[in-house]
Amino acid sequence: GQQLNQSPQSMFIQEGEDVSMNCTSSSIFNTWLWYKQDPGEGPVLLIALYKAGELTSNGRLTAQFGITRKDSFLNISASIPSDVGIYFCAGRGRTGGGADGLTFGKGTHLIIQP
Amino acid sequence: DAGITQSPRHKVTETGTPVTLRCHQTENHRYMYWYRQDPGHGLRLIHYSYGVKDTDKGEVSDGYSVSRSKTEDFLLTLESATSSQTSVYFCAISDERGGTTKTQYFGPGTRLLVL
Repeated sequence: GQQLNQSPQSMFIQEGEDVSMNCTSSSIFNTWLWYKQDPGEGPVLLIALYKAGELTSNGRLTAQFGITRKDSFLNISASIPSDVGIYFCAGRGRTGGGADGLTFGKGTHLIIQP
Repeated sequence: DAGITQSPRHKVTETGTPVTLRCHQTENHRYMYWYRQDPGHGLRLIHYSYGVKDTDKGEVSDGYSVSRSKTEDFLLTLESATSSQTSVYFCAISDERGGTTKTQYFGPGTRLLVL
């Protein structure tokens, strides 16, 4: 099946620092999604990207859909303690219809040191 | 938040017993999914449904079956649970109306321990 490589696996940063993480794939995706998961809860959608080259922001979060359609990045500016959690990228490879499940990266564990 | 509930939220069972997990949505979304989440593997698709009585297999479907007799409910059954099915199970929903709503919203998860 399709594989997503997400990096870094974990990040230890100071509060106030900017964060950057990315996902790459050997396959083309038509949709890229970024989720955050807190302990004991389901993933929550942060940003959805639908077109190659698209750059979308959601507050302090910015994500881009790579031109080649094989990668995406997520940036978090001026991190705060509530940003702690696991961030997942997810891609969908087929056009049309919503039936296909998503392919997920293995997550980036963000830890913020006060 | 999308109206998705899962039941039970936690379950302990013994190897060889049947287990059914329920996903219930109040959004009237057409598509529903079951994933499992394991350390080192992330989230993997088990089965999905694209309408009432319409289901298909995902990446890790062996040992699982699903049923969808009405729009709001999607059931995941482990016919004979094994220890390798110990995991956290997430249900998700999505809707294609509007053309660009190709995103999925997740339920709170069910923690299953098979002894």
